[in-house]
Amino acid sequence: GENVEQHPSTLSVQEGDSAVIKCTYSDSASNYFPWYKQELGKGPQLIIDIRSNVGEKKDQRIAVTLNKTAKHFSLHITETQPEDSAVYFCAERDSGYALNFGKGTSLLVTP
Amino acid sequence: NAGVMQNPRHLVRRRGQEARLRCSPMKGHSHVYWYRQLPEEGLKFMVYLQKENIIDESGMPKERFSAEFPKEGPSILRIQQVVRGDSAAYFCASSPPGTKPEKLFFGSGTQLSVL
Repeated sequence: GENVEQHPSTLSVQEGDSAVIKCTYSDSASNYFPWYKQELGKGPQLIIDIRSNVGEKKDQRIAVTLNKTAKHFSLHITETQPEDSAVYFCAERDSGYALNFGKGTSLLVTP
Repeated sequence: NAGVMQNPRHLVRRRGQEARLRCSPMKGHSHVYWYRQLPEEGLKFMVYLQKENIIDESGMPKERFSAEFPKEGPSILRIQQVVRGDSAAYFCASSPPGTKPEKLFFGSGTQLSVL
């Protein structure tokens, strides 16, 4: 699974609004889908992940949905705050060892 | 519990020199992964190691790049005869033993600049 498309590349929202980032993948064998948040000058930090046997997972203001048939998964952030501003990466893994990352979405939350 | 430690944070080398990047995994973690990030790009997998073993190096360039994770000490990513195209951020991640390569914990990276 090497092809992960991520959209949009940049996203600007007002504080309190929701943000949605979408990713598509091509490998039917993909079974693990994490989302990482990367702040400037830091390494990526895992914020939520989902496995292929689950359609949705939620953790406070963050949720991820997975549509295996359509091969796409999405990150939803509700009630956005300025500290949510960062670059977000989706990734997928099939039966191998590598995580294949999207190119990232730069999220800006304006007060 | 200290996180994944990488050093140096910044490394400047001239073309033809060697670069050595170090990574100490989180305490209790025995799996180490190296990823490379180019500007405006996602992370690209390079290599997966366990203590004294290279498990998957399918993402490593065939020449000039090598990695090790000795029984004692940090994991080392070594780049010989660096070229300008090697300039990138190199991230190390670790995960606990006995798990699939999921829930990776990343270090803060080493920014390599080749002059």
